[in-house]
Amino acid sequence: AQKVTQTQTSISVMEKTTVTMDCVYETQDSSYFLFWYKQTASGEIVFLIRQDSYKKENATVGHYSLNFQKPKSSIGLIITATQIEDSAVYFCAMREGRQGGRALIFGTGTTVSVSP
Amino acid sequence: EAGVTQSPRYAVLQEGQAVSFWCDPISGHDTLYWYQQPRDQGPQLLVYFRDEAVIDNSQLPSDRFSAVRPKGTNSTLKIQSAKQGDTATYLCASRDWGGGAETLYFGSGTRLTVL
Repeated sequence: AQKVTQTQTSISVMEKTTVTMDCVYETQDSSYFLFWYKQTASGEIVFLIRQDSYKKENATVGHYSLNFQKPKSSIGLIITATQIEDSAVYFCAMREGRQGGRALIFGTGTTVSVSP
Repeated sequence: EAGVTQSPRYAVLQEGQAVSFWCDPISGHDTLYWYQQPRDQGPQLLVYFRDEAVIDNSQLPSDRFSAVRPKGTNSTLKIQSAKQGDTATYLCASRDWGGGAETLYFGSGTRLTVL
């Protein structure tokens, strides 16, 4: 069975600093996809970044980057030069690659608060 | 390109009442998901479709919940007799399975309160 665990409930940082969030996953599949989504105060859920299990390079999009440690089943999200607008709940999610049709499984989320 | 559209935005019910949620996915997306998100938790899958076919409804409480997608486009999720434990946000998401796209796109959700 697949499982996604985010142990950090909340993180507070100062603006323009770097924040790192942890996520560990469990899967029996050799092929899988890992995602980070952001949920704003309005409830909107926005896709941020994705890592395919077969890729060795860490994904980077804008000021978001991933720390993919496959042997540890870990996919951390790093946000550099944080802005007030980065305050949100961040969800880690996984989809197994088997037969191309599995749904996303989400973690419980990490709330990030960015202060000026 | 229009995003995933959901309605209504909010719903408030008494226990035992019925409610329906409607979702219009992104045009061309053949796969549609319904998630339930209780307060302070992550989204939890209820059911998903590819075109009009149900792929997985194992997490859908079948005695009170039902979901359809008759023409493979819009979808309706219905709660027959709501309970206080159903209080949550109901999210619809879609993706292009046939095109090999992996990313899900979410609607704004329907926030349900059952009194």
